Amino acid sequence: QVQLQESGPGLVKPSQTLFLTCTVSGGSFSYGYYWRWIRQPAGKGLEWIGHFSPTGSANYNPSLRSRVSVSVDTSKSQFSLKLTSVTAADAAVYYCARGKMNTVAVDSWGQGTLVTVSS
Amino acid sequence: DIQMTQSPSTLSASVGDRITITCRASQTISTSLAWYQQKPGKPPKMLIFQASSLESGVPSRFSGSGSGTEFTLTISSLQPDDFATYYCQQYNSFSGTFGQGTKVEIK
Repeated sequence: QVQLQESGPGLVKPSQTLFLTCTVSGGSFSYGYYWRWIRQPAGKGLEWIGHFSPTGSANYNPSLRSRVSVSVDTSKSQFSLKLTSVTAADAAVYYCARGKMNTVAVDSWGQGTLVTVSS
Repeated sequence: DIQMTQSPSTLSASVGDRITITCRASQTISTSLAWYQQKPGKPPKMLIFQASSLESGVPSRFSGSGSGTEFTLTISSLQPDDFATYYCQQYNSFSGTFGQGTKVEIK
């Protein structure tokens, strides 16, 4: 049973850069899946941020594309999120997730990490 | 991008009720649709994949149907553990957009 765990700072200042890492354990970490970042502002719905695809390419939500990047470190079974120039609108619970089979439907989620944006 | 619209946004029901949640896609997505249940403070949990395939361990009172642009999630007899928020998600495109959610609350 694969497990995912997010790590990173819970508090980021406005205009700074958010870095989050997802560590994958208990299963295969490979380019055979979509490795995704999804966020959820308090009391709101789920928003896709970006992912690494089975082909090894990264794709991003167009609304965030200019500020976001995703990277993978297979040697550490980790993938990471970098979001620049954060504002209060970026405050949310951030989830890392794995796609089911060869799709972007998610069958494995991290527990989520709350990110607050405040000076 | 493909937009997903769920209705209703909130549903008040009692234990034992049969309820149905609808999800509509802005363009055809075949059966590339998943349903999730989310409880407060927890990540979503996949209930249904490929519009109607029940995930392992999910009670049989949950069922999904539909294809193209219109889909439904049905709970045949609502149980206390089912009060939660439900999301649909299309995965026909790699954006994998979610519906806005349907909160099922106790009547």
